[in-house]
Amino acid sequence: QQKVQQSPESLIVPEGAMTSLNCTFSDSASQYFAWYRQHSGKAPKALMSIFSNGEKEEGRFTIHLNKASLHFSLHIRDSQPSDSALYLCAVDTNKVVFGTGTRLQVLP
Amino acid sequence: NAGVIQTPRHKVTGKGQEATLWCEPISGHSAVFWYRQTIVQGLEFLTYFRNQAPIDDSGMPKERFSAQMPNQSHSTLKIQSTQPQDSAVYLCASSLRTGGNTGQLYFGEGSKLTVL
Repeated sequence: QQKVQQSPESLIVPEGAMTSLNCTFSDSASQYFAWYRQHSGKAPKALMSIFSNGEKEEGRFTIHLNKASLHFSLHIRDSQPSDSALYLCAVDTNKVVFGTGTRLQVLP
Repeated sequence: NAGVIQTPRHKVTGKGQEATLWCEPISGHSAVFWYRQTIVQGLEFLTYFRNQAPIDDSGMPKERFSAQMPNQSHSTLKIQSTQPQDSAVYLCASSLRTGGNTGQLYFGEGSKLTVL
């Protein structure tokens, strides 16, 4: 049974800071890894995804995957108040399992 | 494209009553997922259909929960004899599912179930 865990549970950073969110998973056969963002009262929306080891950058967001360590992360450069949300990591091994989330607050 | 549509947005039931939640996936998407979201448990997987066939229902509480997908355009989640612990936001998502991976999930706005 795939277990997906996130850290930290919550995070408060000042505007302009670099934010790092972590996700660990238990099934080494997992193929697809993604981050979703959920603003309060809204549906989760996909942010970024990655299939193979390494890094992928899109704008202010970078995703890093290390399958051997069963770990992937999301880094947000120049964090903005609009980035304040619940961040969910997701791992796909036939079905998509989500972590419990990191609640990010960016203070202006 | 209207996105994934879920109805009702809010439902209040008394303990022991039945609740049926509806989901219309994005047209052309072959995979449909149901999740339950609470503050304590987070986003929990319930069940998954691919091309209308049930693939994995390992997250479904067996006795009172059931899900169906009678055609490509809608899926239902039925909860019999609702209990206060069933109170949650129930989210439906769909994806194209090309190749071996599910790909990006597109979520509906959710159905908030409150059991009194």
